Amino acid sequence: KAGVTQTPRYLIKTRGQQVTLSCSPISGHRSVSWYQQTPGQGLQFLFEYFSETQRNKGNFPGRFSGRQFSNSRSEMNVSTLELGDSALYLCASSPSQGDRYGYTFGSGTRLTVV
Amino acid sequence: KQEVTQIPAALSVPEGENLVLNCSFTDSAIYNLQWFRQDPGKGLTSLLLIQSSQREQTSGRLNASLDKSSGRSTLYIAASQPGDSATYLCAVTSDRGSTLGRLYFGRGTQLTVWP
Repeated sequence: KAGVTQTPRYLIKTRGQQVTLSCSPISGHRSVSWYQQTPGQGLQFLFEYFSETQRNKGNFPGRFSGRQFSNSRSEMNVSTLELGDSALYLCASSPSQGDRYGYTFGSGTRLTVV
Repeated sequence: KQEVTQIPAALSVPEGENLVLNCSFTDSAIYNLQWFRQDPGKGLTSLLLIQSSQREQTSGRLNASLDKSSGRSTLYIAASQPGDSATYLCAVTSDRGSTLGRLYFGRGTQLTVWP
């Protein structure tokens, strides 16, 4: 059974550019969440989608956005990149909203902004 | 607001020792608690999931307990090995309406097991 797949694994972007990250959840999982991990702040919640609807949003600026498609695949977009956006971005999926089965994480996308 | 704390922040032990990692959380409105392992630069690997109605879960050399009323969990690692070296993260899943399904993480315990 395939796990959570995140693409690309690594990205280098320039300040001011925008970037789109992709996450394919485990087959049958309807909930997809995104987290940002930095050495200084640890793991911070970005947003969560369930059946194509954003159910939760963390405390990030509007430059961070996401969406979920009918096949549960999700994308997150960051516009006008800043140096501080350099981080490991992790995606997690769950059959529902993490209640009974918890969450399974992908390997992450390492974003470097120069 | 849910806050998750992990103690100690770092631990260095010789191979073969039994270890206890601690996690505490401030809001008992949780679905469950998960322990994860993270190797440098990698994603998170789920180790154990404890439902809020459960007291403990076991997998191989790992045993995790949960005391929801006191907001505490422990991860016990028996007979540690160098391959156990990693960062161990504790996370709770909120069951409050406004934050339903959201994971709250501790900062982790960085474990080094030396031969």
